[in-house]
Amino acid sequence: DQQVKQNSPSLSVQEGRISILNCDYTNSMFDYFLWYKKYPAEGPTFLISISSIKDKNEDGRFTVFLNKSAKHLSLHIVPSQPGDSAVYFCAAYSNYQLIWGAGTKLIIKP
Amino acid sequence: NAGVTQTPKFQVLKTGQSMTLQCAQDMNHNSMYWYRQDPGMGLRLIYYSASEGTTDKGEVPNGYNVSRLNKREFSLRLESAAPSQTSVYFCASSEAGGAGYTFGSGTRLTVV
Repeated sequence: DQQVKQNSPSLSVQEGRISILNCDYTNSMFDYFLWYKKYPAEGPTFLISISSIKDKNEDGRFTVFLNKSAKHLSLHIVPSQPGDSAVYFCAAYSNYQLIWGAGTKLIIKP
Repeated sequence: NAGVTQTPKFQVLKTGQSMTLQCAQDMNHNSMYWYRQDPGMGLRLIYYSASEGTTDKGEVPNGYNVSRLNKREFSLRLESAAPSQTSVYFCASSEAGGAGYTFGSGTRLTVV
């Protein structure tokens, strides 16, 4: 039973355009939601987070939106750059543990 | 700034062999974690240590043991490796109760 789902295994976006990565969850008790970015042969690195009491958090080119009624969050990257090509993991935090989605591979085309 | 260091980076084992994956962090974090990542799946928690002297099972602990040697080091042991344990293993650390984890670069383990 997957509590955190990323339904798109991959996404291809033109350089300069907006990338939108989606994540759905089932447990309304999650306190925090996080996005991690992973390059090949490296560990995931923290990108941005949002508390369950907020609906938006912005950090430079990255914005995360949380829709609690729909149990859905999304990561927007504007504008997309070649260095953004990576696997993006959505994770939800509760009871001292992170629950991870399966990841979405983002490919930025030149 | 080393962050989280994992050794080895690659390992091939025969079925039934044992080995220990090492992890050390230099950020004075209280909590440490071992995850495995398999194709098409998110990271799955094997074991974690909320603080020095404590360890707890995660989602997939069978076939593994851990030791929190001190605040810096958290090792993962496979007593009798099986092909199903072929995976990439990540160690991570965080502040106590913190959600922002710092990961090592991973150990790619193949069991034949």
